Amino acid sequence: DAKTTQPPSMDCAEGRAANLPCNHSTISGNEYVYWYRQIHSQGPQYIIHGLKNNETNEMASLIITEDRKSSTLILPHATLRDTAVYYCIVRPLSNFGNEKLTFGTGTRLTIIP
Amino acid sequence: EAGVAQSPRYKIIEKRQSVAFWCNPISGHATLYWYQQILGQGPKLLIQFQNNGVVDDSQLPKDRFSAERLKGVDSTLKIQPAKLEDSAVYLCASSSSGHHTDTQYFGPGTRLTVL
Repeated sequence: DAKTTQPPSMDCAEGRAANLPCNHSTISGNEYVYWYRQIHSQGPQYIIHGLKNNETNEMASLIITEDRKSSTLILPHATLRDTAVYYCIVRPLSNFGNEKLTFGTGTRLTIIP
Repeated sequence: EAGVAQSPRYKIIEKRQSVAFWCNPISGHATLYWYQQILGQGPKLLIQFQNNGVVDDSQLPKDRFSAERLKGVDSTLKIQPAKLEDSAVYLCASSSSGHHTDTQYFGPGTRLTVL
């Protein structure tokens, strides 16, 4: 059961900010928003996660709307190495921290030189 | 720190043959996952181990797939007999557990082609 909706593909010019949207209108209060990406022929790579506040790390920023029904992953200065499939995942809070990740089909982001 | 290791990276077999994949998680990680990723789709969880016990195998086709994690470290995933529809990338991931924002780290995967 897909809990998130993402556009199937997007292009972004190299050096510009890439903004990847995700709709999760049925998200529950105890569910986090996670982002992973998968570069060709590699396993998925963790990017960032958040509950309700905006988050930033060395890779990206995550903006979550106040009603938590959607979010945007921002890659501030996209490079060719950011070309990948990006997955937005909602994941329930767990005392054990091992709740499974349910992947959808993601957004294929292509960075254009 | 070393990442999740998987072998082999590629395997080609004929249908009805058997195949096994091996995974070595990040040192100290208690939780280990096996995912199946069919071309054009996102990864799908097959089985999850906590130490050497199974937490979730609800999507594992148990008539042909089996997995074990001896001593709570390395793990093997076996398919016997393989079908054409088993052609996919098999990904292993591990996480340390114990915290509610646990991150899963993935290996490079094993690409299986069944002819």
